[in-house]
Amino acid sequence: EVQLLDSGGGLVQPGGSLRLSCAAFGFTFRSYAMSWVRQAPGRGLEWVSGISGSGDGTYYTDSVKGRFTISRDNSRNTLYLQMDSLRVDDTAIYYCAQEWANVGVPLFVHWGQGTLVTVSS
Amino acid sequence: TVLTQSPGTLSLSPGERATLSCRASQSVSSSYLAWYQQKPGQAPSLLIYGASSRATAIPDRFSGSGSGTDFTLTITRLEPEDFALYYCQQYGNSPPTFGPGTKVDFK
Repeated sequence: EVQLLDSGGGLVQPGGSLRLSCAAFGFTFRSYAMSWVRQAPGRGLEWVSGISGSGDGTYYTDSVKGRFTISRDNSRNTLYLQMDSLRVDDTAIYYCAQEWANVGVPLFVHWGQGTLVTVSS
Repeated sequence: TVLTQSPGTLSLSPGERATLSCRASQSVSSSYLAWYQQKPGQAPSLLIYGASSRATAIPDRFSGSGSGTDFTLTITRLEPEDFALYYCQQYGNSPPTFGPGTKVDFK
């Protein structure tokens, strides 16, 4: 059974940093691209960032380019999102998601339970 | 690619048929259109991919159709557990984008 366990969320001041983690179980982690998708309180879903199975390819939505960094450790079956220069409008639940394939098909087959990031002074 | 979903809310009773629409601002490549269900306090879950293929363990009362810019999710005979939020998502054009959602609630 596929399991994705998100962690690392919390309260941070504007301009601060957080690092999210997603531990993966039940599948061959290196064989699948992964993404982060966020949902602001009471709002819809927004894709944030994705990474290929090997980690060689990384992709970002425009609003987080230069501030967020996605990475993965295939030896630890773990996905990360380093979030710097956080803004109030980054406040959201952040979900990690397993994609359909190794690269290039951002269809989100399995999702973590989400971790809440609150950016506020 | 901007996705628009209609209606915003659909008020129905158990046993009724639900028809949800998703329209794209440009053609979705290879019919790479998916539907997700989200219940309160839970993560979304995949229902339909490739516009019309059901994900694993999704009951056949859920069906998807459409191509190009117009797509539909149909739920025949609503069950109590089907009252939820539904999002469409396109993954054929970069970046992947989601619609704003349709809420199916009790009449």
